[in-house]
Amino acid sequence: AQKVTQAQTEISVVEKEDVTLDCVYETRDTTYYLFWYKQPPSGELVFLIRRNSFDEQNEISGRYSWNFQKSTSSFNFTITASQVVDSAVYFCALSEAWDDKIIFGKGTRLHILP
Amino acid sequence: EAQVTQNPRYLITVTGKKLTVTCSQNMNHEYMSWYRQDPGLGLRQIYYSMNVEVTDKGDVPEGYKVSRKEKRNFPLILESPSPNQTSLYFCASSSDRNNQPQHFGDGTRLSIL
Repeated sequence: AQKVTQAQTEISVVEKEDVTLDCVYETRDTTYYLFWYKQPPSGELVFLIRRNSFDEQNEISGRYSWNFQKSTSSFNFTITASQVVDSAVYFCALSEAWDDKIIFGKGTRLHILP
Repeated sequence: EAQVTQNPRYLITVTGKKLTVTCSQNMNHEYMSWYRQDPGLGLRQIYYSMNVEVTDKGDVPEGYKVSRKEKRNFPLILESPSPNQTSLYFCASSSDRNNQPQHFGDGTRLSIL
């Protein structure tokens, strides 16, 4: 069965610090998809990235980067030079290719302190 | 503008009174899905739909029904709501099955008394 663990329930960092949000997943499928979503204090959900299991290249988008490592079943998310606007709950999720279901982690609440 | 629209945004109702939360998307997406968000539990998928007349259960389908008669609409039906269905609900759509969910509605906060 698929499972997503975000062990960090809540993190606080001072603005401009780098911060990494951890995501560990479990799946028996060889083809799967991993996702990150952001939920700012206003409550909407924002899709950030999708990564498929055959693509282990790290992804960078501005101050955001994602490190996918199949060997450790992890898909970690790093924010460089954090800003107050990065304060949000971040969810990691997993979907197996044979199944249209998606499983979310419980989320990590990130506080960026000015 | 690409949108997923949910209605109502807020609803307080009583146990057993049937209710429907509507969801509509204007992107011609095939895939639509419903989620509930509860403190400490994160997001859980209720139902999803791959296309018109094709729906399937997610992780927590008990007590819910859905229908997909048109591509753009995917209503969530609570035939006999109970207090444990008090939650924040999100509808979402996406262009393909392995990229879902991609676009979310603004959420519907349901309180069942």
